[in-house]
Amino acid sequence: KQEVTQIPAALSVPEGENLVLNCSFTDSAIYNLQWFRQDPGKGLTSLLLIQSSQREQTSGRLNASLDKSSGRSTLYIAASQPGDSATYLCAVSEGGSQGNLIFGKGTKLSVKP
Amino acid sequence: DAGVIQSPRHEVTEMGQEVTLRCKPISGHDYLFWYRQTMMRGLELLIYFNNNVPIDDSGMPEDRFSAKMPNASFSTLKIQPSEPRDSAVYFCASSSRRWPLDTQYFGPGTRLTVL
Repeated sequence: KQEVTQIPAALSVPEGENLVLNCSFTDSAIYNLQWFRQDPGKGLTSLLLIQSSQREQTSGRLNASLDKSSGRSTLYIAASQPGDSATYLCAVSEGGSQGNLIFGKGTKLSVKP
Repeated sequence: DAGVIQSPRHEVTEMGQEVTLRCKPISGHDYLFWYRQTMMRGLELLIYFNNNVPIDDSGMPEDRFSAKMPNASFSTLKIQPSEPRDSAVYFCASSSRRWPLDTQYFGPGTRLTVL
C-alpha cells in the first residue's frame, strides 16, 4: 500500500532564506507527483506537477524534483517570503487507479518577516 | 471561470441527521473527486466520477455515505445518518479529460461538524 511521508511536519524560517521540503513515497510505480499549497480555511492550489518520466519542474521561485527510484521528491523555495506561509502537501498518483491521489500530511511552513 | 464551487461552506448538525454536501465542478471537466480531510488521517479520496459515472468508491467509509452525479455540472455527497466521527473538511475537486496529465482543481471545502 502506497504511503507518502513529509518531513518536517512544521518549519519556521526567516524571510529571505532558501528552503527545502521533503516528500517520500513507498512504491515507485507512480504516474505523477504533485505539490499543492493549502492556506488556512481554503482549498488546495496546485503548484507543480511532475510526470513520472520527468526529473523536475520549475515555476518562478519554486523547483520540484523527482527521483522515482529512491521514492523521493523535494520542493525548493528560493528567497522565501511571508506570503509563502502555508501548508505544503505532496501527493502521488498511482497508475493502476488513475483517480487515486495519495497525499502526505503536509509541512506547515511559517516565514517570519 | 469561477472554479470549483462547494456549498455549504460550513455545516453544523446533530448526530443522526442527514447531511448533503454539494459541488459544482469547473465547466468542461470530465472528472470529479470527493475528498475528506482530518487531522488524524490527512486527505483521503472518498469517490471519483468520470463523465458522471462513479469509477472508484473504495474510499467511501461505510454505507452511510453516498454520492451522486446526476449531470456534468452537479454532484452531491450525502451522509445519513451522520455521526460525530464524520466531522471533517470535505473537498470536491475536478479535472479535465487529460487527468492524470492535468492537475486537480480543488474547491474551498465544506467544514462539517456533527455534534
